[in-house]
Amino acid sequence: GAVVSQHPSWVICKSGTSVKIECRSLDFQATTMFWYRQFPKQSLMLMATSNEGSKATYEQGVEKDKFLINHASLTLSTLTVTSAHPEDSSFYICSTGGGLAGYKDTQYFGPGTRLTVL
Amino acid sequence: AQSVAQPEDQVNVAEGNPLTVKCTYSVSGNPYLFWYVQYPNRGLQFLLKYITGDNLVKGSYGFEAEFNKSQTSFHLKKPSALVSDSALYFCAVRDRGRDDKIIFGKGTRLHILP
Repeated sequence: GAVVSQHPSWVICKSGTSVKIECRSLDFQATTMFWYRQFPKQSLMLMATSNEGSKATYEQGVEKDKFLINHASLTLSTLTVTSAHPEDSSFYICSTGGGLAGYKDTQYFGPGTRLTVL
Repeated sequence: AQSVAQPEDQVNVAEGNPLTVKCTYSVSGNPYLFWYVQYPNRGLQFLLKYITGDNLVKGSYGFEAEFNKSQTSFHLKKPSALVSDSALYFCAVRDRGRDDKIIFGKGTRLHILP
């Protein structure tokens, strides 16, 4: 399957600062990427759909000005948590979909980024 | 709207016994169904999928799932459980109407007892 990486794997930041999380597809071109957040012992909640070269589509209830998504190339999408607060602490996971042959029906996930806001 | 339900929060199975993790779905049209596994502090790993064809789908690590249209179910199974199978399992359905978005069930925690 496709290989997806995330960086950093974990980050601790002070309240009010911004944090950028990178998601890379290492072995294929991803026209679409997805960003999820997961609270402890809960399922994944889709935050937004990131499309290469266009604006991201946010799910209802997700603040687009707080969670900035950029998908500038077919191998990289970034999620920036702006002015982070403790309630933003979570596990953020990206996935890819809509790529070239063989990947369209299956999403492949990155290893996740653990964000802790003090 | 597409959805999946996992009725069990937790399943306990003795090592060596067969295991089943349940999933039911609600979709319009033909379903695209998936199972993923998540180990602690890790992302999700793809196990298997049903798109079309045989109702019994074989996947990674010896897992399989049976698609049952009449019961709208897609239960995950394995003939003989290993302690290393202990993890969080998610059933999911693909929303074909919008950008390949995947809708996840709430997850079932599987404990394999040695």
